[in-house]
Amino acid sequence: NAGVTQTPKFQVLKTGQSMTLQCAQDMNHEYMSWYRQDPGMGLRLIHYSVGAGITDQGEVPNGYNVSRSTTEDFPLRLLSAAPSQTSVYFCASSYSQLAGGPDTQYFGPGTRLTVL
Amino acid sequence: GEDVEQSLFLSVREGDSSVINCTYTDSSSTYLYWYKQEPGAGLQLLTYIFSNMDMKQDQRLTVLLNKKDKHLSLRIADTQTGDSAIYFCAERAFRDYKLSFGAGTTVTVRA
Repeated sequence: NAGVTQTPKFQVLKTGQSMTLQCAQDMNHEYMSWYRQDPGMGLRLIHYSVGAGITDQGEVPNGYNVSRSTTEDFPLRLLSAAPSQTSVYFCASSYSQLAGGPDTQYFGPGTRLTVL
Repeated sequence: GEDVEQSLFLSVREGDSSVINCTYTDSSSTYLYWYKQEPGAGLQLLTYIFSNMDMKQDQRLTVLLNKKDKHLSLRIADTQTGDSAIYFCAERAFRDYKLSFGAGTTVTVRA
């Protein structure tokens, strides 16, 4: 298994540009999520999905859109990039958060985004 | 809401024990996790503990949970240079989707 993959690894955007961060997993996980990591703030949840066709907002959803048309893929779209969106973005997946068990989340390697 | 706090930095000599502390506020937390992030990489789960446990040991790692004080700690025995990383504490409520993370503790191992 490749686990959780993310592309691109690095990206530089100008203010106002749009782009899509890709995330894919090959573990047949139901739950997928996007976090952003900023210095001194840990990881903050942007959006999450509990299965194909179902998405919901996390802690910091403004400026981001998601969709989940397949179990494997969960892209994150920046609609109009702003410097405040400069961050490291992580995608994560797990089998099912409702199973009641520890349900380990597996993280991708991250996308480092700079908005000028 | 959930709030997870950690000290930001820890420096330890190679071969000594490291203790990383974390406090949380959500009394409904059922699982508490420790993740490790090496430079330029994603997060890797180190260990977790269920809220009805006081201690969990896994090779060089010991997790202690004090539910009364909502305090969690991670002890790394015989700390090595490869243990230099950022360590995140995280909590999750039962049948909840969301993980709440602390800000992370940067551990530096010096020779």
